[in-house]
Amino acid sequence: DAGVIQSPRHEVTEMGQEVTLRCKPISGHDYLFWYRQTMMRGLELLIYFNNNVPIDDSGMPEDRFSAKMPNASFSTLKIQPSEPRDSAVYFCASSLGLLGGTQYFGPGTRLLVL
Amino acid sequence: QKEVEQNSGPLSVPEGAIASLNCTYSDRVSQSFFWYRQYSGKSPELIMSIYSNGDKEDGRFTAQLNKASQYVSLLIRDSQPSDSATYLCAAEPFAGGTSYGKLTFGQGTILTVHP
Repeated sequence: DAGVIQSPRHEVTEMGQEVTLRCKPISGHDYLFWYRQTMMRGLELLIYFNNNVPIDDSGMPEDRFSAKMPNASFSTLKIQPSEPRDSAVYFCASSLGLLGGTQYFGPGTRLLVL
Repeated sequence: QKEVEQNSGPLSVPEGAIASLNCTYSDRVSQSFFWYRQYSGKSPELIMSIYSNGDKEDGRFTAQLNKASQYVSLLIRDSQPSDSATYLCAAEPFAGGTSYGKLTFGQGTILTVHP
């Protein structure tokens, strides 16, 4: 099993630019989660999907953030326009069924906004 | 007040000792609790889950839950240098379908095991 795949692994961009982060969950998993991790705020849940449908986006910080899951094997998190305070590591995770907590994390995307 | 609180450490123990990591939570509806390990520059990985009061053992790891005191702990016996990592405590509130899977993480405790 390839695990959760994220791309890119590193992204450096300038303030105001659009950033798109990508995630491929583990095949067969029906839940997908996007997290952000910073030193100041720790690991925070941004949004999660069940069977491609967004269930809870209350963690999305602003309207500049949007997430989609067009099919069971692909999700994107977009930031437009990006700001320096968006610099963080963004993790995607997936899980199977009603097994809260057994989330498998991807390697993360390290984002730096200059 | 943060919903899940951990002592950020760092916690330093000698090899072979018992490392004790603690976590408190404020949300009384939290039902499930988890310990994740995160090596520097890597992603979190689940090492223990606990749902009922008492102890749960898995190899060198023991998770303890006391819902009355809103307290969760992780004990690592015979600590090894390879256990050096950040340990994240997470709670899952269960108050209906929209709460499922919504983990709240603590800030993490940095553990260093020195030879």
